[in-house]
Amino acid sequence: DGGITQSPKYLFRKEGQNVTLSCEQNLNHDAMYWYRQDPGQGLRLIYYSQIVNDFQKGDIAEGYSVSREKKESFPLTVTSAQKNPTAFYLCASRPTGTNYGYTFGSGTRLTVV
Amino acid sequence: AQSVTQLGSHVSVSEGALVLLRCNYSSSVPPYLFWYVQYPNQGLQLLLKYTSAATLVKGINGFEAEFKKSETSFHLTKPSAHMSDAAEYFCAVTLNTGGFKTIFGAGTRLFVKA
Repeated sequence: DGGITQSPKYLFRKEGQNVTLSCEQNLNHDAMYWYRQDPGQGLRLIYYSQIVNDFQKGDIAEGYSVSREKKESFPLTVTSAQKNPTAFYLCASRPTGTNYGYTFGSGTRLTVV
Repeated sequence: AQSVTQLGSHVSVSEGALVLLRCNYSSSVPPYLFWYVQYPNQGLQLLLKYTSAATLVKGINGFEAEFKKSETSFHLTKPSAHMSDAAEYFCAVTLNTGGFKTIFGAGTRLFVKA
């Protein structure tokens, strides 16, 4: 079955470390997204990519970086510049076009220790 | 500015009772509207979507939503709640403003009492 795989499910980061969250999809979707979810705040867009080798900042891109070298993969790096990284991170994808909903991965919970 | 407002961060119903989760949007262009459900520690799953074909939209798990342009609303309903419906529900609007931006509401957590 097609879907989105996020790994790891749980991740612990020490202060000053960079960590990378993996997101892989086999749905042949052009567009991929990273969202951050905090309690009571809904989802906030970090970065998105609509085509390979191109990506755009979302609403809260500071302290994060991404790459899109392959259509199937859209990894997110949480850098040491992100001062409050503890959150639930969701990767999503969809075909190009506004009337398609997202397919989401199962998420990665990042905790700073 | 475009926005999505979900009225009530928590809603509690008894099993078998009507479920009504409210969503209002603000948009200067015709919106595409979605409802998603999220179970604990999981990603979001698409429940249903409105794309202008019909104002009453039926989704999975017995949910439906009605688009009311005059009220700028897209409320989610289910005639009879089941214990398995307990989850968080998100309303979202996607706008064709040169980037297909999606805005999510803050979510409504549904509790179902036995």
